[in-house]
Amino acid sequence: QSALTQPRSVSGSPGQSVTISCTGTSSDIGGYHYVSWYQHHPGKAPKLIISYVTRRPSGVPDRFSGSKSGNTASLTISGLQTEDEADYYCCSYGGGSNFGIFGGGTKLTVL
Amino acid sequence: QLQLRESGPRLAKPSETLSLTCTVSDDSFSSRSYYWGWIRQPPGEGLEWIGNVQHSGSSFYSASLRSRVTISSDMSRNQFSLSLSSVTAADTAVYYCYFSGAEPFVFDLWGQGTLVTVSA
Repeated sequence: QSALTQPRSVSGSPGQSVTISCTGTSSDIGGYHYVSWYQHHPGKAPKLIISYVTRRPSGVPDRFSGSKSGNTASLTISGLQTEDEADYYCCSYGGGSNFGIFGGGTKLTVL
Repeated sequence: QLQLRESGPRLAKPSETLSLTCTVSDDSFSSRSYYWGWIRQPPGEGLEWIGNVQHSGSSFYSASLRSRVTISSDMSRNQFSLSLSSVTAADTAVYYCYFSGAEPFVFDLWGQGTLVTVSA
């Protein structure tokens, strides 16, 4: 299965909101409620920030929220902070034993 | 607090086998319901799921790598391992080990990653 499609980069100023889209197909995002998002600061371990489309793990600020419509999932970060500058990856279950179909990643720059 | 740490050779030769080990810091590894796996990221590219293994020894692999990958576990050492055969330069990547709690498609916790370069 092909990778999910994300914008290469997005940017925003501190305090603003940004939304990162992740587009797949009916065989992955559209077919399951199993979309997750990961934050990755280069050189560090990627971190789970959203699972099951909208669920935030303990300790993840409520500034991070997820949603899904059809074959497209979205991650919204509100009240941008400088420490949010990172790469963000979406991931979806793809059926059977295809547990992880990733997007190409989006670099968030906080101006 | 659960932690994962990758270890193994940083360099592999073309056509040979890449081998990495992930050490789990606590006894979570003995839980029957968890999944332990590997994800990689080639330089300048996105993430790619490789596969996972359960306490039972059951394993699942990416279709694109299935013919070359083996993931196994050693409960006595709180470790699980990745073996990737017949490597080429395209297998050069940062390799991350990870833990999945409730479901195998949520990657709850990751190691720091280790860069493995395939070169003669």
